[in-house]
Amino acid sequence: DAGITQSPRYKITETGRQVTLMCHQTWSHSYMFWYRQDLGHGLRLIYYSAAADITDKGEVPDGYVVSRSKTENFPLTLESATRSQTSVYFCASSAGLIRDTEAFFGQGTRLTVV
Amino acid sequence: GDSVTQMEGPVTLSEEAFLTINCTYTATGYPSLFWYVQYPGEGLQLLLKATKADDKGSNKGFEATYRKETTSFHLEKGSVQVSDSAVYFCALPRLATSGTYKYIFGTGTRLKVLA
Repeated sequence: DAGITQSPRYKITETGRQVTLMCHQTWSHSYMFWYRQDLGHGLRLIYYSAAADITDKGEVPDGYVVSRSKTENFPLTLESATRSQTSVYFCASSAGLIRDTEAFFGQGTRLTVV
Repeated sequence: GDSVTQMEGPVTLSEEAFLTINCTYTATGYPSLFWYVQYPGEGLQLLLKATKADDKGSNKGFEATYRKETTSFHLEKGSVQVSDSAVYFCALPRLATSGTYKYIFGTGTRLKVLA
């Protein structure tokens, strides 16, 4: 099916563990994004990517690592999870640098760090 | 830097009431502007957009007019329904200093419509 999918939808992990959130899109969009959503903060950009092997930090990158070896995949890794990283994570993709281009969002991953 | 400011929520209305959710932005030039909606348990989806000053975006009975004089993009609907209960985000796409491209979102406004 065409679209953008995130996995897992729900994840519980322990403090200090490494965890990877997956994101896959089928449109061959150049741009991909990771946001976290927290009450009172709205959506905050963690990392984004303009193309395979090109990534850049957003507002809140500390504690996170991304990679983009293939255009369609953009995994987000928490190297050593902390309770402050408990959040809902959204992946998004966009066709690129066109004025009215919208971003398409996945369903989100709810991560709980205990 | 570039930013988007939305009115604080939550907003609680009765069915068929008039809705306004304020959004103002700070940015250089004249960016495109978007409203996204997030229904419970789902991701964000585009509700409407406007690409230049004085444009009006509309969809599902919602409207928003891009006003450059007041740097605003307020969302309106004449008669809300229970099914409109959701969180609404104002957003603008911006070039990053690295030459790449990102979206800036407001904090979101939660709307609850009562039957």
